Amino acid sequence: QQQVKQSPQSLIVQKGGISIINCAYENTAFDYFPWYQQFPGKGPALLIAIRPDVSEKKEGRFTISFNKSAKQFSLHIMDSQPGDSATYFCAAGITGGGNKLTFGTGTQLKVEL
Amino acid sequence: KAGVTQTPRYLIKTRGQQVTLSCSPISGHRSVSWYQQTPGQGLQFLFEYFSETQRNKGNFPGRFSGRQFSNSRSEMNVSTLELGDSALYLCASSREQDREQFFGPGTRLTVL
Repeated sequence: QQQVKQSPQSLIVQKGGISIINCAYENTAFDYFPWYQQFPGKGPALLIAIRPDVSEKKEGRFTISFNKSAKQFSLHIMDSQPGDSATYFCAAGITGGGNKLTFGTGTQLKVEL
Repeated sequence: KAGVTQTPRYLIKTRGQQVTLSCSPISGHRSVSWYQQTPGQGLQFLFEYFSETQRNKGNFPGRFSGRQFSNSRSEMNVSTLELGDSALYLCASSREQDREQFFGPGTRLTVL
């Protein structure tokens, strides 16, 4: 019940295209959903986060869509660039549960020229 | 503002040994969390410390332990190392009421 399932495992997108990564969860107690970006040799860096009281949040080229009834959320990267090539992780946390995050398995994104 | 620092960056140990990893959080951050990252299991939560107290614990054996000092710096210790402990160990810090976690670069532990 604590799992967060992420797909696809890997993704190749052409420059300028839209990258879409999906996550699903079971535990309805989760109420904080961040996305992290990780480059080789670096720690994950927070991209954007959403709470269940909104269905969409946009920051620059990155958008999170959230579907509470389906217990799913997704990351859209608009106008994908080669510099976006990295591994992306979705995660989920519980308010009042400290800072423990349950992570998805990651998506390796490659943006080709 | 300096980011989260972790030392050492790389470690090579043999089975049965023990190891101590160190994490210095961002100044003013009192929460420190530790995660293990492996290709097979991904990112898994180990434990979280806040104001020198363990606030959360993941599903790892007792060989994995940690502590936090009064200056918020944290250490984690792994005793009786096993081959499967080879991983990238990540430390993340955050402010008391803020959910945003800032990760360090990690310590790459290899157990031979």
